[in-house]
Amino acid sequence: QQPVQSPQAVILREGEDAVINCSSSKALYSVHWYRQKHGEAPVFLMILLKGGEQKGHDKISASFNEKKQQSSLYLTASQLSYSGTYFCGTENAGGTSYGKLTFGQGTILTVHP
Amino acid sequence: DAGVTQSPTHLIKTRGQQVTLRCSPKSGHDTVSWYQQALGQGPQFIFQYYEEEERQRGNFPDRFSGHQFPNYSSELNVNALLLGDSALYLCASSFFSANTGELFFGEGSRLTVL
Repeated sequence: QQPVQSPQAVILREGEDAVINCSSSKALYSVHWYRQKHGEAPVFLMILLKGGEQKGHDKISASFNEKKQQSSLYLTASQLSYSGTYFCGTENAGGTSYGKLTFGQGTILTVHP
Repeated sequence: DAGVTQSPTHLIKTRGQQVTLRCSPKSGHDTVSWYQQALGQGPQFIFQYYEEEERQRGNFPDRFSGHQFPNYSSELNVNALLLGDSALYLCASSFFSANTGELFFGEGSRLTVL
């Protein structure tokens, strides 16, 4: 079963903040976040391993709540370059599914000037 | 440093035909995974190759098969094409011993089945 992302789409003005959520019904080992621009390959943003850690990359950060099997991606002070479709990809706990990511359906983020 | 390269970038086939897609992983990577991405959807895992063997497989029929060569490059073969096989096929490479790590995706091969 694929993780569920919310919202499905979000429209921002430059400088505004956004949160994208990813929820799974299965015990997770890790959550990956990728951004894909139209006609391009998905680009890696960050990985979160179980343990509830929070990671950051410039003005993009994420958290992983292992107990709830949920992850959130935080985009602060959005820039035009943040526009694209954001996917979370999950690896299930159990140690046998390394590299086998199950992706959510994506969240379309549009940033306007 | 070359990233993941895939070929061809676009191709059109008719139902019942067979197709072969190719992927060269990022330098230093030894693991190749293939994903199918339908329009407006997230990528779906097809299978993963490491040490020239299929290590994991997603919910795809046997019409989908693959191969990994000693130089770590990989092929995806799809037989008896169906209209529903039309999609973007993404290759992703990684380093197996990293235990978990980021996937580097290629630009993909867009397959249209008529």
